[in-house]
Amino acid sequence: EVQLVESGGGLVQPGGSLRLSCAASGFTFSSYNMNWVRQAPGKGLEWVSYISSSSSAIYYADSVKGRFTISRDNAKNSLDLQMNRLRDEDTAVYYCARDALWGFLALDLWGQGTLVTVSS
Amino acid sequence: QSVLTQPPSASGTPGQRVTISCSGSSSNIEGNTVNWYQQLPGTAPKLLIYSNNQRPSGVPARFSGSKSGTSASLAISGLQSGDEADYYCAAWDDSLNAVVFGGGTKLTVV
Repeated sequence: EVQLVESGGGLVQPGGSLRLSCAASGFTFSSYNMNWVRQAPGKGLEWVSYISSSSSAIYYADSVKGRFTISRDNAKNSLDLQMNRLRDEDTAVYYCARDALWGFLALDLWGQGTLVTVSS
Repeated sequence: QSVLTQPPSASGTPGQRVTISCSGSSSNIEGNTVNWYQQLPGTAPKLLIYSNNQRPSGVPARFSGSKSGTSASLAISGLQSGDEADYYCAAWDDSLNAVVFGGGTKLTVV
C-alpha cells in the first residue's frame, strides 16, 4: 500500500527538542521530493519545509528557519524533522507530504499526521 | 495573516455551483502554478487540483480550477453534502522561497 506514516509527536516543554519521522512505503521514495506541513489546532495549513529527492535542495518557512532541520534517508525510505528550541506556537499536527512527480509542489500523498504539543 | 487570501466561508445548496477565490501577487500566483486541497473534517488534506486546472486521477470533474493574473478560483458544480470541507489554495512564492497557503475556506452545504 502506498502510504506515509508519521511518528515522534508528543508533549514537550518550551525550549525543548523533538524529532519527527515519516516512514514511506509502497512507492520509490528516492524519486520524490518531500515536505512537512503543519496545522495548529483549529487553524489552517502552514508549510514548514521541503527537501528534494537527493537532499540537494532544502527550504524552510521563516517561522522555523534556524530551529528546524529536515533530512531524509533514501536507503531507509524515511523523512525526518528535527525540531529544536520549540515554542508554544509550534503546537500543531505535523504532516509529511509527497511532492507529485507531475505538477509543481503538488502534494499528492499525505500521512495521517502526528501531534506536537509545546507546553509547560 | 496568510500570503494568499481566501474568503473564510462559502455556502451553497445541493446541486448548486459555488466558487472559491484565492488572491495573491506577482511573486506567487502570477508566476507559479496554483494547487488546491480539500480537507474533510478530521482527516488529512487531499490534493484536489494541481497546475491551476488539472485534476488528479479520481477527482470528479465537478471540481475545476482556473487562474488569471494574481488570482485563482476553485469551482464546484453539482454541490453535494459530502463536499462540506475546508478548501485551501497554495503556490510557491519566489520572494519568500516558500510554499504559501491561503487561510482556507470552509464550505457549508445548506
